[in-house]
Amino acid sequence: KAGVTQTPRYLIKTRGQQVTLSCSPISGHRSVSWYQQTPGQGLQFLFEYFSETQRNKGNFPGRFSGRQFSNSRSEMNVSTLELGDSALYLCASSLGELAGGPYNEQFFGPGTRLTVL
Amino acid sequence: AQKITQTQPGMFVQEKEAVTLDCTYDTSDPSYGLFWYKQPSSGEMIFLIYQGSYDQQNATEGRYSLNFQKARKSANLVISASQLGDSAMYFCAMREGWGKIIFGKGTRLHILP
Repeated sequence: KAGVTQTPRYLIKTRGQQVTLSCSPISGHRSVSWYQQTPGQGLQFLFEYFSETQRNKGNFPGRFSGRQFSNSRSEMNVSTLELGDSALYLCASSLGELAGGPYNEQFFGPGTRLTVL
Repeated sequence: AQKITQTQPGMFVQEKEAVTLDCTYDTSDPSYGLFWYKQPSSGEMIFLIYQGSYDQQNATEGRYSLNFQKARKSANLVISASQLGDSAMYFCAMREGWGKIIFGKGTRLHILP
């Protein structure tokens, strides 16, 4: 079974630009979560999507948005990039099924490293 | 509010020794799950072990075990017989119900030959 894939793996943008990152979950997984990882702040939760609906949201400004498609693939968008948005963006997928409980394992993708100049 | 604390920024351990990585948490929700993840220098996050708040026994997965002390709100990870490949960043995480998952700051573990 293929793992979580994220594209692109590396990205360089300049301040003020916008960026879209993509995440394809493991087949059959309906929940996709996004995290931002920086040396200073660690791993911070951005949002979680389940069956095309945002189920949870972290404390990030409105410049950060996401969506999930009917095939469970997810995208996150960051508009008006700032230098502080430079980070590793990780996507994780899980079954997300109620029957499995909320604590089913999350499988992480390799991440997209975003550099804002 | 939910909170995860990992008080050890870094640890050095001799190969083959057992390692305990500390994690304390704070929550008012009776239903929660605790997770440990490993992040090697390559960057990928690897799930290690999970403990549910209602689980009566401590979770174990191979060389990994979770020392769950509910009253103290601690969920320490124990790695038995450490190996050089265990050198990595380790994160403790918690989820309340269907809420968001929060991670601790992590502990960088160095295994010495």
